[in-house]
Amino acid sequence: GQNIDQPTEMTATEGAIVQINCTYQTSGFNGLFWYQQHAGEAPTFLSYNVLDGLEEKGRFSSFLSRSKGYSYLLLKELQMKDSASYLCASMDSNYQLIWGAGTKLIIKP
Amino acid sequence: ETGVTQTPRHLVMGMTNKKSLKCEQHLGHNAMYWYKQSAKKPLELMFVYNFKEQTENNSVPSRFSPECPNSSHLFLHLHTLQPEDSALYLCASSTGQGESNIQYFGAGTRLSVL
Repeated sequence: GQNIDQPTEMTATEGAIVQINCTYQTSGFNGLFWYQQHAGEAPTFLSYNVLDGLEEKGRFSSFLSRSKGYSYLLLKELQMKDSASYLCASMDSNYQLIWGAGTKLIIKP
Repeated sequence: ETGVTQTPRHLVMGMTNKKSLKCEQHLGHNAMYWYKQSAKKPLELMFVYNFKEQTENNSVPSRFSPECPNSSHLFLHLHTLQPEDSALYLCASSTGQGESNIQYFGAGTRLSVL
């Protein structure tokens, strides 16, 4: 079957580092996406991984292990504006996205 | 601004009403999508259009009727909805090709069915 799991909610402190994990089971896996969604706004694309390893983009990094069906999003030097939901999605053999329920990240001063 | 615009942003309707949601993309994409987003649930894919042709219909009830007159516009026609249809309806577009099929989303229509 197709399944995505990620924590429902996480809390972190401003200036710190947080890692949001995602595990997936996807037939014909074609890559893993991370999106950010602020309350009342559109989900916005953060990263796409199809090969194993770490991809770094400024304060955000995304990691993929295809053999383990595992990804994480790493956010460094947290800012209050990073408070949002983070959505993990895997792409199947038909290039359609299977979505997790999202992780609500709360940043405290 | 994502290049995908949805109207209206908010909609309240009774179960006997007929209304339509509109989506427009200015990104030159060929694929457009309708999703339903309910609180604490994964995004549910409803419909996919590729080059104006419907390629996916994920067992969506007939009270939801999509229309794609061209690659830039997508509508979702609503009639005799149920209270459980209250949700955020998101439109997205993508190139529809290749492995990095990044989807760009509109801000959504918050629908309340009374």
